[in-house]
Amino acid sequence: AQKITQTQPGMFVQEKEAVTLDCTYDTSDQSYGLFWYKQPSSGEMIFLIYQGSYDEQNATEGRYSLNFQKARKSANLVISASQLGDSAMYFCAMREIKGVGIQGAQKLVFGQGTRLTINP
Amino acid sequence: DARVTQTPRHKVTEMGQEVTMRCQPILGHNTVFWYRQTMMQGLELLAYFRNRAPLDDSGMPKDRFSAEMPDATLATLKIQPSEPRDSAVYFCASGTNTIYFGEGSWLTVV
Repeated sequence: AQKITQTQPGMFVQEKEAVTLDCTYDTSDQSYGLFWYKQPSSGEMIFLIYQGSYDEQNATEGRYSLNFQKARKSANLVISASQLGDSAMYFCAMREIKGVGIQGAQKLVFGQGTRLTINP
Repeated sequence: DARVTQTPRHKVTEMGQEVTMRCQPILGHNTVFWYRQTMMQGLELLAYFRNRAPLDDSGMPKDRFSAEMPDATLATLKIQPSEPRDSAVYFCASGTNTIYFGEGSWLTVV
């Protein structure tokens, strides 16, 4: 069963605009973590941001923020003031946590990704 | 900055040859993952370890692939014999809470 869904195969955005990349997830667990990664054309996977299921506030890291809506099971990535260097593939991922604490953390499951292109 | 280190970065080999990829996880991380990425399949989990113990290798073709963690500083992924369909980028990742990826090993089997 598909656990992570990214519905936007590709997005085109003008430089300096904000962009929202969609991610929905499926889990019956109460404890889990949500991740976003950036993969530029060079191929490396760069960690961007993390949100725990019990975190009250949305995670933020510089120009990145995670719009976490638990009831809707969505974890959208928002990039403010986009730059040309933001052009890349973006992956949403989830890690369920079964049992007590981080020792119960399970495998990291990825969505299919969204290719973001920033136009000058 | 601490980082996950993978070797080799690039490998071209002939079909039938053994390939060994190595990974040095970030010191102190208790979980290590091996992923494979292709255009067709995206990111596939091959295996993962917690505290060096294998937890799940259901994504790995057992007849030719093997993954081990002989110690806390080294994880290996071996393919024997290699086939053209194994051509892909192989990522190692480590973490305890947040998961960090290595730069990948780009494998081409001809």
